[in-house]
Amino acid sequence: DAGITQSPRYKITETGRQVTLMCHQTWSHSYMFWYRQDLGHGLRLIYYSAAADITDKGEVPDGYVVSRSKTENFPLTLESATRSQTSVYFCASSGKTGGIGELFFGEGSRLTVL
Amino acid sequence: SQQGEEDPQALSIQEGENATMNCSYKTSINNLQWYRQNSGRGLVHLILIRSNEREKHSGRLRVTLDTSKKSSSLLITASRAADTASYFCPGESNYQLIWGAGTKLIIKP
Repeated sequence: DAGITQSPRYKITETGRQVTLMCHQTWSHSYMFWYRQDLGHGLRLIYYSAAADITDKGEVPDGYVVSRSKTENFPLTLESATRSQTSVYFCASSGKTGGIGELFFGEGSRLTVL
Repeated sequence: SQQGEEDPQALSIQEGENATMNCSYKTSINNLQWYRQNSGRGLVHLILIRSNEREKHSGRLRVTLDTSKKSSSLLITASRAADTASYFCPGESNYQLIWGAGTKLIIKP
């Protein structure tokens, strides 16, 4: 299906385990973003990517790793999950150049770290 | 620091009434966007207003922007049950969108 998809939608893991959240978009958008959403904080940017092989840190990058070998995929890895990383994670993309423009969001991945 | 700070935090109105939400921001912006998020779902873009625009319409939505006051408002006319959601107003500055905690809108039948 066209659009932006995230997987898994729900994940429960234990402290110290590695977790990878996947994000795939079919529009060939240049920009992709990872946000986390916690109660009372709105969305906070973890990492973003302006193009394949170009990534940069956002507001809260510690404990996360990203890669972007292909334009359509932007996986987010928690190398050693902590309880503070329990959150809802949203992937988004934007096709605009010269600015961010409208973001298209996935449905989110709800991660619980026990 | 939060860029887009929505006010009120929560709003409950009767179906058919108009809903107004406000947003303030701290730094200069290139544009301001409004998004809707239904419970448990991803965010959906509603409207983008550029810094040189004062008002914009889209269907039942009316957005205003006052750059001198660093504020924006979203008016939803003739509200419907489907408008029940959280609304966010991130401002774009330096290729970043900074998000507030949102306004939770409840439409009562």
